[in-house]
Amino acid sequence: QSVLTQPPSASGTPGQRVTISCSGSSSNIGSQTVNWYQQLPETAPTLLIHSNNQRPSGVPDRFSGSKSGTSASLAISGLQSEDEADYYCAAWDDSLKGWVFGGGTKLTVL
Amino acid sequence: QITLKESGPTLVKPTQTLTLTCTFSGFSLSTTGVGVGWIRQPPGKALEWLALIYWDDDKPYSPSLKSRLTITKDTSKNQVVLTMTNMDPVDTATYYCAHTEQLKNYAFDIWGQGTMVTVSS
Repeated sequence: QSVLTQPPSASGTPGQRVTISCSGSSSNIGSQTVNWYQQLPETAPTLLIHSNNQRPSGVPDRFSGSKSGTSASLAISGLQSEDEADYYCAAWDDSLKGWVFGGGTKLTVL
Repeated sequence: QITLKESGPTLVKPTQTLTLTCTFSGFSLSTTGVGVGWIRQPPGKALEWLALIYWDDDKPYSPSLKSRLTITKDTSKNQVVLTMTNMDPVDTATYYCAHTEQLKNYAFDIWGQGTMVTVSS
């Protein structure tokens, strides 16, 4: 049981916009910034979004992040086949004094 | 260019101690605001954060695994070592080390390729 809650799966067709949610609590998302990671099949995770909505260099602007209260969202616009991957949210938890991850969302491009 | 690479045994027996080494380049762990973390992923499951070591030697651990983990750094060798005692088959996972820095609010911005560890007798 992960501290952060994500839907196990999401899907969309090429060109569509999809969103993935991440729900937490006042000790993590409610008081800390949220990061998103993308994990392509059989590869190590890569940082997709940090500090709620900041894209590292090289990440397309099709990816965007937002946060409101104790929830966060990752949006992918103009969906492409290469976006098919697992997506994880993460945040520092002030009570646990450590990083917590979501259970991951498997995105399928139909 | 920042790179990290994990090394260690691929197979350990139950009750043994696992020692993993993260060898990195492109940054120094003596630079203010820098850290290296360990994250693992059991086959087909989610990511789980294990431990982190900062430039100032602060070392937060996962509360659920704290009693079994030790993280250390060797700044001169550009290495971070994680030891996990009393290994169990449920600890079978791919273990990743990752760079983190204050500029990105300590997100794990560069990851190693990971090393698969199987716990079995």
